[in-house]
Amino acid sequence: GAVVSQHPSWVICKSGTSVKIECRSLDFQATTMFWYRQFPKQSLMLMATSNEGSKATYEQGVEKDKFLINHASLTLSTLTVTSAHPEDSSFYICSFTGGLEQYFGPGTRLTVT
Amino acid sequence: DAKTTQPPSMDCAEGRAANLPCNHSTISGNEYVYWYRQIHSQGPQYIIHGLKNNETNEMASLIITEDRKSSTLILPHATLRDTAVYYCIVRVFTSNYQLIWGAGTKLIIKP
Repeated sequence: GAVVSQHPSWVICKSGTSVKIECRSLDFQATTMFWYRQFPKQSLMLMATSNEGSKATYEQGVEKDKFLINHASLTLSTLTVTSAHPEDSSFYICSFTGGLEQYFGPGTRLTVT
Repeated sequence: DAKTTQPPSMDCAEGRAANLPCNHSTISGNEYVYWYRQIHSQGPQYIIHGLKNNETNEMASLIITEDRKSSTLILPHATLRDTAVYYCIVRVFTSNYQLIWGAGTKLIIKP
């Protein structure tokens, strides 16, 4: 299957700062990418869907001004958590669709202190 | 809301077949059943998917009932590395083929 990378794999930041997470598809051109977050012992929650070259579509309850998504190319999408707070601490996972399959990155563990 | 229901946890002895059930009684005719697993603190890993026929690959087998209201994922010879949360998902045919995630089944393989 396709390979998806995320960087960084984990990050610790102070409250009020911004953090950027990169998601790259290494061997596939992804027109649509998904961003999820996962709190401890919970399932994945879809945050937003982004299509290359257009604005992301956010799920209900996800603040678009706080979670900035940029899907600038077919192989790169970024999620920026702006003015992070401790409640934003979570596991963030990117994903993209390739035909009938969906491929996931390894995730980024964000801890806001 | 997730369109699937799974038992919250299961145990299986190492070397035995692990059979993970899933109910999806409201599945539509053109919706696929997908199985993923997530090992602790990792991204989900694709296992298998099917529409109405049984499917098999190098990882597992998927058995879908004739009425498509339930399915079973079979790991034929479970190993300790198969300990993970297994998600049964119905792929919703929205414009972006969204996966709706349920709570999954925590499978623990015991030596």
